[in-house]
Amino acid sequence: GQQVMQIPQYQHVQEGEDFTTYCNSSTTLSNIQWYKQRPGGHPVFLIQLVKSGEVKKQKRLTFQFGEAKKNSSLHITATQTTDVGTYFCAGNSGTYKYIFGTGTRLKVLA
Amino acid sequence: ETGVTQSPTHLIKTRGQQVTLRCSSQSGHNTVSWYQQALGQGPQFIFQYYREEENGRGNFPPRFSGLQFPNYSSELNVNALELDDSALYLCASSLGGDNTDTQYFGPGTRLTVL
Repeated sequence: GQQVMQIPQYQHVQEGEDFTTYCNSSTTLSNIQWYKQRPGGHPVFLIQLVKSGEVKKQKRLTFQFGEAKKNSSLHITATQTTDVGTYFCAGNSGTYKYIFGTGTRLKVLA
Repeated sequence: ETGVTQSPTHLIKTRGQQVTLRCSSQSGHNTVSWYQQALGQGPQFIFQYYREEENGRGNFPPRFSGLQFPNYSSELNVNALELDDSALYLCASSLGGDNTDTQYFGPGTRLTVL
């Protein structure tokens, strides 16, 4: 069945450093969504990418969707302590079902 | 806040028991998806309800069942609980039956099976 993997599993960075998480799907996706989950919290929607090669920015966050629509990345510039949490991608192949990635847990050291 | 509520917040059950979890979707949303999130894992899709009908199902056994009511709130029922059912159960509501709709997650129900 369809699988969505994320790397790295964990990332510790000093405040001010950049951070990137990568998401890879075993199948071509229709669209991909990104979520952030704070410790003890629930996933919060960040953004959705639909088009091949699409790039979207939200302040310090940059999201990319690969040309083949099988991979995606989230890059955070100059991390802050408020960026702490687990970042998930969730891929959709055109049906009702979203497959969540394994997540990348980000720790930011002040 | 997303406007999606879930009850109860926490629940402790023993093996073999049955449990019902509830979800109220955001106003105007007619689609509810349920997910199971084990500790340290990503959410796993259980099933989705669209206008009171099951719209699709993930790889979960039939002892996981659900309902959606005319007001679009939803229930998840789990029979014959197993230890591995211990997890955070999340519901997510979305506007309609389109796969590109944004999902708004509730705070979850933490189920512990002893």
